[in-house]
Amino acid sequence: DAGITQSPRHKVTETGTPVTLRCHQTENHRYMYWYRQDPGHGLRLIHYSYGVKDTDKGEVSDGYSVSRSKTEDFLLTLESATSSQTSVYFCAIQSQGAGNTIYFGEGSWLTVV
Amino acid sequence: AQSVTQLGSHVSVSEGALVLLRCNYSSSVPPYLFWYVQYPNQGLQLLLKYTSAATLVKGINGFEAEFKKSETSFHLTKPSAHMRDAAEYFCAVSDRAGANSKLTFGKGITLSVRP
Repeated sequence: DAGITQSPRHKVTETGTPVTLRCHQTENHRYMYWYRQDPGHGLRLIHYSYGVKDTDKGEVSDGYSVSRSKTEDFLLTLESATSSQTSVYFCAIQSQGAGNTIYFGEGSWLTVV
Repeated sequence: AQSVTQLGSHVSVSEGALVLLRCNYSSSVPPYLFWYVQYPNQGLQLLLKYTSAATLVKGINGFEAEFKKSETSFHLTKPSAHMRDAAEYFCAVSDRAGANSKLTFGKGITLSVRP
């Protein structure tokens, strides 16, 4: 357990509505990531953060934005949800004190109808 | 650019049999390689990682993997499967072992264990 909490864990939303997923960590890690998991694709990087207000795009960033106003929280926002964004979203942190191991949260299941 | 290939999506073995899950990678720089396991409705847990030290890496739960540069492979093995090993397994590659590393995952392989 790397002290990662994702919320909400499950959400159903309608097409076109905004959605924000929250990742909260308790151990002051600098590096945080958002991945999505889809069958046949494994996990793909959406955005990552290397510090407060320092973020960058990953492989599949279109349609997503992120914010990190404080070390412990990394927010993922779908400005206008589409059915193609139905997925399981995982937050991850990199623990520099544990050999730079990347630890994952429990996931957030998002369904866009 | 880096990529990982995990051939097949499903492997089924009998309890007590050898587990072999294949992973091949492509990388323009020396790779750092990882195996993660995902149990149903859970996040990913690190099984083991290769970071340019010993080529045979031992991980948790009796798993091990061998880095073979000539074959660009990092196959995961376990001598004797247990029912609790049933899960999805992901191979991943990174271009660095240090800070701000970003993982590129394979598609995953589901392991089933028959009684």
